[in-house]
Amino acid sequence: QKEVEQNSGPLSVPEGAIASLNCTYSDRGSQSFFWYRQYSGKSPELIMFIYSNGDKEDGRFTAQLNKASQYVSLLIRDSQPSDSATYLCAFKGGQNFVFGPGTRLSVLP
Amino acid sequence: GAGVSQSPSNKVTEKGKDVELRCDPISGHTALYWYRQSLGQGLEFLIYFQGNSAPDKSGLPSDRFSAERTGGSVSTLTIQRTQQEDSAVYLCASSTPTSGRARSYNEQFFGPGTRLTVL
Repeated sequence: QKEVEQNSGPLSVPEGAIASLNCTYSDRGSQSFFWYRQYSGKSPELIMFIYSNGDKEDGRFTAQLNKASQYVSLLIRDSQPSDSATYLCAFKGGQNFVFGPGTRLSVLP
Repeated sequence: GAGVSQSPSNKVTEKGKDVELRCDPISGHTALYWYRQSLGQGLEFLIYFQGNSAPDKSGLPSDRFSAERTGGSVSTLTIQRTQQEDSAVYLCASSTPTSGRARSYNEQFFGPGTRLTVL
């Protein structure tokens, strides 16, 4: 069964620090990987996607993918209280998306 | 343009009743997904529609759950004889393959969800 594992948290970081969120996945055939942010009571929204090994940067966000280790991470630089949310990792396995349970991030002012 | 819409936003029902949840995807999106999210949990895949292909129903938890998509657009998720463990937020998402890409990437856009409470 295809699975995604994430530390449920909560992960607490002080404002301005780097938040590091990690995710491992089981399906070696996965091609596309996604990070979604979900505020409490709201729907998930896409932050980043990555499909090549290495780093992909977008503003304060950097996604890192290592297919050999089946590992994908999200770094948030200069964390803000508004970044406090649950971050869901997902991969596309065939036609379906497989989501992890999410990591709750709390950025402390 | 309009995003994914879902109705109702909240549904309270009694155990044993049937419920219908509706999803209006973004116009032109050929793929439509239903997920369930229990309190504090991740997203549980339920069913996937892609164009005119047969739906992938592999995530439906029991035969009380069914879904259809009419005319390749609006979708209805039906739960028969609801149970208390069916209480969750039901999320719909739509997407379309990005033209010109060789990779299997497409972004999902989520609706606001329907919060179902079974008493």
